Amino acid sequence: EIVLTQSPATLSLSPGERATLSCRASQSVSYFLAWYQQKPGQAPRLLIYDASNRATGIPARFSGSGSGTDFTLTISSLEPEDFAVYHCQQRSNWPLTFGGGTKVEIK
Amino acid sequence: EVQLLESGGGLVQPGGSLRLSCAASGFTFSNYAMSWVRQAPGKGLEWVSSISGSGYTTYYADSVKGHFTISRDNSKNTLYLQMDSLRAGDTAVYSCAKSLGDYPQGGSNWFDPWGQGTLVTVSS
Repeated sequence: EIVLTQSPATLSLSPGERATLSCRASQSVSYFLAWYQQKPGQAPRLLIYDASNRATGIPARFSGSGSGTDFTLTISSLEPEDFAVYHCQQRSNWPLTFGGGTKVEIK
Repeated sequence: EVQLLESGGGLVQPGGSLRLSCAASGFTFSNYAMSWVRQAPGKGLEWVSSISGSGYTTYYADSVKGHFTISRDNSKNTLYLQMDSLRAGDTAVYSCAKSLGDYPQGGSNWFDPWGQGTLVTVSS
């Protein structure tokens, strides 16, 4: 099973700041990685798939990069609605696995 | 608009069974793979099972293989998860999710959108 490790566990930032979230895979997943945003009491929402493709309707301030084992989700300038938990997921190998999540909170 | 609505959750004793349903609308259901993902209270996301658009191909997490069964009825636009021999570790919110495509397409294991979920509590 591919283990995804997200860091940091919590990121404390102010609106307008840049957020950089990391997801590291225990073995190469090529570019088969996605990022989801989850707000309290809500279902996760797909942000990025195949490492760098924005899903439909996702603002340009969200970008993904990386390949192999190291991936990054960048939010260029945090909006108030961006404070949430972010999960990464791989589809390179069965079973599909998720990272433990990074909480982006207001500083 | 794509909508996914889960039902069937509740409180069940260890060893019991439940069948979850996910009613889908707003898209051609049979053209997309579907999945179940769960989230235990205060924990991260865990993939449970996936099924192809035709229903002929299924995949399971090792933790549920042999006691959960995924299925779909394309005539009713509904996804199911039959859960047997439930144990405390199965307690979670179970959400269904639509894939971006169908197997073997590349987008088949990216989930968008997700339903709100239904809570399954296994306790005596």
